[in-house]
Amino acid sequence: GQNIDQPTEMTATEGAIVQINCTYQTSGFNGLFWYQQHAGEAPTFLSYNVLDGLEEKGRFSSFLSRSKGYSYLLLKELQMKDSASYLCAPRGYQKVTFGTGTKLQVIP
Amino acid sequence: SQTIHQWPATLVQPVGSPLSLECTVEGTSNPNLYWYRQAAGRGLQLLFYSVGIGQISSEVPQNLSASRPQDRQFILSSKKLLLSDSGFYLCAWSVTGANTGELFFGEGSRLTVL
Repeated sequence: GQNIDQPTEMTATEGAIVQINCTYQTSGFNGLFWYQQHAGEAPTFLSYNVLDGLEEKGRFSSFLSRSKGYSYLLLKELQMKDSASYLCAPRGYQKVTFGTGTKLQVIP
Repeated sequence: SQTIHQWPATLVQPVGSPLSLECTVEGTSNPNLYWYRQAAGRGLQLLFYSVGIGQISSEVPQNLSASRPQDRQFILSSKKLLLSDSGFYLCAWSVTGANTGELFFGEGSRLTVL
């Protein structure tokens, strides 16, 4: 089965850096996704980590430690439009399971 | 390029009525297909996935069913809706056979059961 844990809500200031953590327990691990979801919209892809380490993509970076069952998403130079839910999603065999998401509020 | 469409976008149904949500993918062959549901303020719950025509895997017991009558068509159905079926339903696809494939989501269907 899958067990995914991430904070429910976070608040950060515009221009700052925020780190959203995710721990997971899963069978048949094949990588981990991070998706962004604005209210009322479908999720959009942010990153995918297969191997341990840090993947950087512009203002967003994602880290994975497979041995620890741990990942984080790092958002730099926060903008107001980054206010959204961020979903941690490990991929197992043939399917992707999502955590409940972290609702990030960026304040001026 | 690949595209995914689902419809209807919004619907309001009475308790006990039937449901049919349809999803189609274009520009790819033999995709893995998925139905997720998101209740208000909650995370995405995987309902069904399919790796081929006629092959359906169910993740949770419920009054919903799924069918894949064609390679790129995925249908979510119910014979009698419950109040708890209200939510945001998302269809998604990924490249078949690959355990590294990104999920691509449709626009979503918002169902309100009254």
